[in-house]
Amino acid sequence: GESVGLHLPTLSVQEGDNSIINCAYSNSASDYFIWYKQESGKGPQFIIDIRSNMDKRQGQRVTVLLNKTVKHLSLQIAATQPGDSAVYFCAEEMRGATNKLIFGTGTLLAVQP
Amino acid sequence: EPEVTQTPSHQVTQMGQEVILRCVPISNHLYFYWYRQILGQKVEFLVSFYNNEISEKSEIFDDQFSVERPDGSNFTLKIRSTKLEDSAMYFCASKGNQETQYFGPGTRLLVL
Repeated sequence: GESVGLHLPTLSVQEGDNSIINCAYSNSASDYFIWYKQESGKGPQFIIDIRSNMDKRQGQRVTVLLNKTVKHLSLQIAATQPGDSAVYFCAEEMRGATNKLIFGTGTLLAVQP
Repeated sequence: EPEVTQTPSHQVTQMGQEVILRCVPISNHLYFYWYRQILGQKVEFLVSFYNNEISEKSEIFDDQFSVERPDGSNFTLKIRSTKLEDSAMYFCASKGNQETQYFGPGTRLLVL
């Protein structure tokens, strides 16, 4: 079946360290992936995306890596800050008329000062 | 920066009552979505809407649910007869010609 899942439900890091959040997807036909950040009581906030014709994309302090061979996605956050504390979801966009998103279960990133 | 807005932020209702959740998508977007998130769980797709009709709906989106775009700016989700298990955060999202869906802040629905 189709699924998007995360390896680690909780990740605790020290302020200033780099964080790596991982995600596995199962639908090899998916060609667009997004990372969202969700703070408590708020909606998912777009962080970064990547198409399947790329294996790496960089933003401001964030990098997304895509390994299509093993169907693995990761989000790297450089110099993690307390404001980065949130739940991070990867989402897989199902190509088609609707482009609905299939979300993973989420990883809680806790940044220790 | 344009954003998706939703009202109300919180809604408490009695089981069996009808609720309408409202969303104002980003103004030039054409694709609209509703998702829900039960407390502590992942975000789940409910329905997508394009060109004034439903383009896809999930198994969750049964006959008790309906969506409407009553005018050029609002997009609503109606639950006709709420059940306890409808308690969740409901998120509206919209998308333009680019691929990224942008989410609203959500409505927290509590059914008693």
